[in-house]
Amino acid sequence: AQKITQTQPGMFVQEKEAVTLDCTYDTSDPSYGLFWYKQPSSGEMIFLIYQGSYDQQNATEGRYSLNFQKARKSANLVISASQLGDSAMYFCAMRERRTGFQKLVFGTGTRLLVSP
Amino acid sequence: DTAVSQTPKYLVTQMGNDKSIKCEQNLGHDTMYWYKQDSKKFLKIMFSYNNKELIINETVPNRFSPKSPDKAHLNLHINSLELGDSAVYFCASSQGQDTAQETQYFGPGTRLLVL
Repeated sequence: AQKITQTQPGMFVQEKEAVTLDCTYDTSDPSYGLFWYKQPSSGEMIFLIYQGSYDQQNATEGRYSLNFQKARKSANLVISASQLGDSAMYFCAMRERRTGFQKLVFGTGTRLLVSP
Repeated sequence: DTAVSQTPKYLVTQMGNDKSIKCEQNLGHDTMYWYKQDSKKFLKIMFSYNNKELIINETVPNRFSPKSPDKAHLNLHINSLELGDSAVYFCASSQGQDTAQETQYFGPGTRLLVL
């Protein structure tokens, strides 16, 4: 079974609009961390935001926020006020205690295109 | 002042050759990783080293041999390159505290093309 599922291969949004990128995960481990990374066309992997399984509040980092719904096992990334520079691949990832937190398991990614 | 650097950025080579990719981090981290990103953009861990010791080997063929001369460096040597090895290889590092929140920082990637 897929550990991390990103069901949206591609998303379009207009500049200045908000967009939600979906991520669901599968684990029976009570202790885990969820991450979002951005990969622009230049290829580097940029860390955006982190959410811990025990965190009571949703994580926020500037225009990025994470809509964490633990019971539904979802950790959707919300980008507010989209900018042209947000066009990129976005990856959701998870690490679990049972693997000693050593492995970061990635989803298949969502390609976001921001139009003027 | 690049945090995680990789060389070379691009590598084009013939099938059957042996090649190496170097990785260095100046973050003072204890743990380093190699990931492979295939043509469909799927990222998968290959190896993890903590303080120069192998922690994870994700059923990677023996042709791939990581080497960590010190905790700031993790090099990847690939023997007898095959067409299917064409991919982007990312090095990453993290503090090594083994907590859920520990962030991994990635290098710029090495684009390997095997002809």
